[in-house]
Amino acid sequence: ELKVEQNPLFLSMQEGKNYTIYCNYSTTSDRLYWYRQDPGKSLESLFVLLSNGAVKQEGRLMASLDTKARLSTLHITAAVHDLSATYFCAVDEASGSRLTFGEGTQLTVNP
Amino acid sequence: KAGVTQTPRYLIKTRGQQVTLSCSPISGHRSVSWYQQTPGQGLQFLFEYFSETQRNKGNFPGRFSGRQFSNSRSEMNVSTLELGDSALYLCASAWDSRNTEAFFGQGTRLTVV
Repeated sequence: ELKVEQNPLFLSMQEGKNYTIYCNYSTTSDRLYWYRQDPGKSLESLFVLLSNGAVKQEGRLMASLDTKARLSTLHITAAVHDLSATYFCAVDEASGSRLTFGEGTQLTVNP
Repeated sequence: KAGVTQTPRYLIKTRGQQVTLSCSPISGHRSVSWYQQTPGQGLQFLFEYFSETQRNKGNFPGRFSGRQFSNSRSEMNVSTLELGDSALYLCASAWDSRNTEAFFGQGTRLTVV
């Protein structure tokens, strides 16, 4: 059974600081997704990583995928309050569209 | 381009009742997946439909069922509701299910009392 683990689960950081969220998964897969969820809202797609070594950046967020290590990272640069949300990574098993999600990382950016 | 539309947005049901939730995918998308989100269990996969066929199913009891119509719209049904079925039910739409991005609807918040 595929397991996806994120850490940390809770992250409180100051504006302007950098930090990394880690996503480890237990099976071979080269399809990993990052989503953002605001309280009471749905999931917003952030990044789609489809191959080993993939790196994508959007604004202050950068995601990478290492399929050999079964690890993805979401790096936050110079955090701002608007980034406060819960971030999920999800792995797509090879059998098709069946996302297994991590527990989520609740990020709070304080002024 | 319209996004994924889920109806209704909120529902309150009584234990033992049944409920049907609806999801209209993005135009042209043929894959529809359903997920349950609860504080205790997180986001869990329910099932996926592609071209009216169920292709994947998660570990949920048979009380949870779904279907997809020829226009790709999907419904999920939960029979004999239990308190533990209270959750946010999210539908995701994709053009195809492989290597394509899934877009989520706003969800249906189901409360069972």
